[in-house]
Amino acid sequence: DVKVTQSSRYLVKRTGEKVFLECVQDMDHENMFWYRQDPGLGLRLIYFSYDVKMKEKGDIPEGYSVSREKKERFSLILESASTNQTSMYLCASIGSGVYNEQFFGPGTRLTVL
Amino acid sequence: KQEVTQIPAALSVPEGENLVLNCSFTDSAIYNLQWFRQDPGKGLTSLLLIQSSQREQTSGRLNASLDKSSGRSTLYIAASQPGDSATYLCAVCLVSQGGKLIFGQGTELSVKP
Repeated sequence: DVKVTQSSRYLVKRTGEKVFLECVQDMDHENMFWYRQDPGLGLRLIYFSYDVKMKEKGDIPEGYSVSREKKERFSLILESASTNQTSMYLCASIGSGVYNEQFFGPGTRLTVL
Repeated sequence: KQEVTQIPAALSVPEGENLVLNCSFTDSAIYNLQWFRQDPGKGLTSLLLIQSSQREQTSGRLNASLDKSSGRSTLYIAASQPGDSATYLCAVCLVSQGGKLIFGQGTELSVKP
């Protein structure tokens, strides 16, 4: 059974803190993605990665960075959390080549106070 | 720029009804189209994936169709049940961008007993 896991389901942080959101997949997928989901705005792509140590900006990368040191793990970093980064964060992965089903993690609900 | 639209935004039906959810997209250069289900506060669960060369896919009471030339997809749910209540999202996978998905805003479905 394929699986994408995220380190936390719920997270509460204070403004200015550095925040790490971790995502791990067990499918040996090359491509991994970070989205955020907000009411009225839908899902928006923050960053994605084609392979280890490779990253590409998505539609809303400002205020975020990412790290992919191992194939199975893709981390999203909020360098200095702000209240407008309160959101649901969803990680996903997909194999390269012929693109098939994209698998999502359970999400992390982040609240920045 | 690819845009994905879902109509209606919300739908309420009595149990047992057959129903259709609609998804339209502006650019036919897609690898595939995927339908997801999302329960409140949860991640996305993949329901059906249709490759660009296919016309439809079926899984149980669900049937999804794809007309790439007209930029449309429908998700048909037969004999709806209260457990089908959720938000349904469609997403197109872009040819040009490494498996990136562009999402619609979703249709919130409520099936009344």
